[in-house]
Amino acid sequence: GAGVSQSPSNKVTEKGKDVELRCDPISGHTALYWYRQRLGQGLEFLIYFQGNSAPDKSGLPSDRFSAERTGESVSTLTIQRTQQEDSAVYLCASSLVGQGSYEQYFGPGTRLTVT
Amino acid sequence: GDSVTQMEGPVTLSEEAFLTINCTYTATGYPSLFWYVQYPGEGLQLLLKATKADDKGSNKGFEATYRKETTSFHLEKGSVQVSDSAVYFCALSDHAYNTDKLIFGTGTRLQVFP
Repeated sequence: GAGVSQSPSNKVTEKGKDVELRCDPISGHTALYWYRQRLGQGLEFLIYFQGNSAPDKSGLPSDRFSAERTGESVSTLTIQRTQQEDSAVYLCASSLVGQGSYEQYFGPGTRLTVT
Repeated sequence: GDSVTQMEGPVTLSEEAFLTINCTYTATGYPSLFWYVQYPGEGLQLLLKATKADDKGSNKGFEATYRKETTSFHLEKGSVQVSDSAVYFCALSDHAYNTDKLIFGTGTRLQVFP
């Protein structure tokens, strides 16, 4: 079956511009996560959606970052007024339910480069 | 806060050598522990997991045992292959929180030569 998909796969943008990244989770997965992976570093948690509950936004690094999810489907991560330090690979993952023992399935990521 | 520390790479081995990648953690609750692997050009995928103390996760010849007394989850394989060359990430999910976000180590690159 289809896995988690993300688009675009690569994005180059100028400093100060806004970008929107998209994630399509595995059908039926109620939990959705966004992570960021900077060069040479581990993944940092950004935001978590679970069903109709209020999202956990505790990992968003600044108010320039926001994310939405429509029901249990597509999610978009928006970065406003991009800065060079936003350059990273942004990964989306989904899981069956928000229980720690359930595997998170990761998408291929969006590589964002801010020039 | 919660954290994961894993040995820095790259780890360079010859085929059939024994592999250990160290991982230790700090957590407020009773976390589940994971090893994820990222093969060249591919996405991150779960390699193995353990959900409670003394559990052993295993897959594809890799093993890791959840050691609460030493807060460790070291990854081992008895005989590595060239195809095991990848970046390995240790991670935890702390059930003290309402989310099941993963907290990752920085990753260890493994290079296996024939």
